[in-house]
Amino acid sequence: TQLLEQSPQFLSIQEGENLTVYCNSSSVFSSLQWYRQEPGEGPVLLVTVVTGGEVKKLKRLTFQFGDARKDSSLHITAAQPGDTGLYLCAGDFWENSGYALNFGKGTSLLVTP
Amino acid sequence: KAGVTQTPRYLIKTRGQQVTLSCSPISGHRSVSWYQQTPGQGLQFLFEYFSETQRNKGNFPGRFSGRQFSNSRSEMNVSTLELGDSALYLCASSLVGSSTDTQYFGPGTRLTVL
Repeated sequence: TQLLEQSPQFLSIQEGENLTVYCNSSSVFSSLQWYRQEPGEGPVLLVTVVTGGEVKKLKRLTFQFGDARKDSSLHITAAQPGDTGLYLCAGDFWENSGYALNFGKGTSLLVTP
Repeated sequence: KAGVTQTPRYLIKTRGQQVTLSCSPISGHRSVSWYQQTPGQGLQFLFEYFSETQRNKGNFPGRFSGRQFSNSRSEMNVSTLELGDSALYLCASSLVGSSTDTQYFGPGTRLTVL
């Protein structure tokens, strides 16, 4: 199983600040996904990146896939309390003809007013 | 369209017991995956079913098993529960289970083993 390392593990910032979360692996992924999970709920997909070097924007969130498709970053501009949650990156892998997601351990973000 | 539903939402069991968790996927979705989420290990893949067949299995002991029915609903069973099985069990469904599919997660079942 390919390992995905996320950093930082915890992040506490004030409203209006910018932040970047990193997701790194020694393996190449055909695609990488970012999810956000709020307490008591399952993860919700934010974005899927497929092409090396790809950059996708979702309002104040910017996602980048590394050129070698081994790493990704999530940048949040002017964070708001509503951005609070657990951010997870996941790479897909195929084994025994079945599909699965390999998740990083996540970055827990707290944005205070 | 209704989302992925999981029942029960909370469960308390004692060591040695067994437990069955249920997952109803989004209508039309044929792939169902199960994940275990713990603070220490994060989300770990358990298994994936497609059209009643297990296509993929994660690195978990044989005490963890599952099945999928003809209507795509899925159950997972854990026998001889251990304290370390306490976790949030998440189910995700997608159309066919592929890189181009979106995985939709349910809210999870919180299992506590005493």
